[in-house]
Amino acid sequence: GPKVLQIPSHQIIDMGQMVTLNCDPVSNHLYFYWYKQILGQQMEFLVNFYNGKVMEKSKLFKDQFSVERPDGSYFTLKIQPTALEDSAVYFCASSFTGGANTQYFGPGTRLLVL
Amino acid sequence: AQSVTQPDARVTVSEGASLQLRCKYSYSGTPYLFWYVQYPRQGLQLLLKYYSGDPVVQGVNGFEAEFSKSNSSFHLRKASVHWSDSAVYFCALSARQGGRALIFGTGTTVSVSP
Repeated sequence: GPKVLQIPSHQIIDMGQMVTLNCDPVSNHLYFYWYKQILGQQMEFLVNFYNGKVMEKSKLFKDQFSVERPDGSYFTLKIQPTALEDSAVYFCASSFTGGANTQYFGPGTRLLVL
Repeated sequence: AQSVTQPDARVTVSEGASLQLRCKYSYSGTPYLFWYVQYPRQGLQLLLKYYSGDPVVQGVNGFEAEFSKSNSSFHLRKASVHWSDSAVYFCALSARQGGRALIFGTGTTVSVSP
């Protein structure tokens, strides 16, 4: 099936540093998502993005978070500055349309903030 | 508020036995409903989804789920499990209007013993 890639697979950084998580979505998809999963807990929605804009975001999407997809390249999640509680696995997803359309997930980026 | 509850954190079944994973949701109306499976160090893969119509939905690898509006449930079933079905299973919903975020349950870890 369609593949979503995420780079890097693991990232360890010091608290206060900036980190950028990269997502290569399915090529013809138009909607992009980030989810956060803390170890042992459920996956939680952060943000979705369409046509160059944030469409909706959750309360977990703090002011330190930003997303963009410049010129149709990677869909990125930037955290600046990072905090200890940002340690989690971040999953990117994409879908062709919104609504009930299937979201395809990447394998996740494991972020550890020290 | 919208929510998904998976009451069983962990289920162990013998290979060849049947499996049922429970999912209850809270939503004013009928949401879109999904079951995803997560294998170790991989992203989520869609098993099946419910939009409307026949309440019994067939998915991949012999899985099916039944939607019940009266019970606010979307339970997943498989008649005969294989060792490769060992994974974490997530139930999720998304709204029919507005947001496209998936709201996940906490997941059920399935262990299939030989």
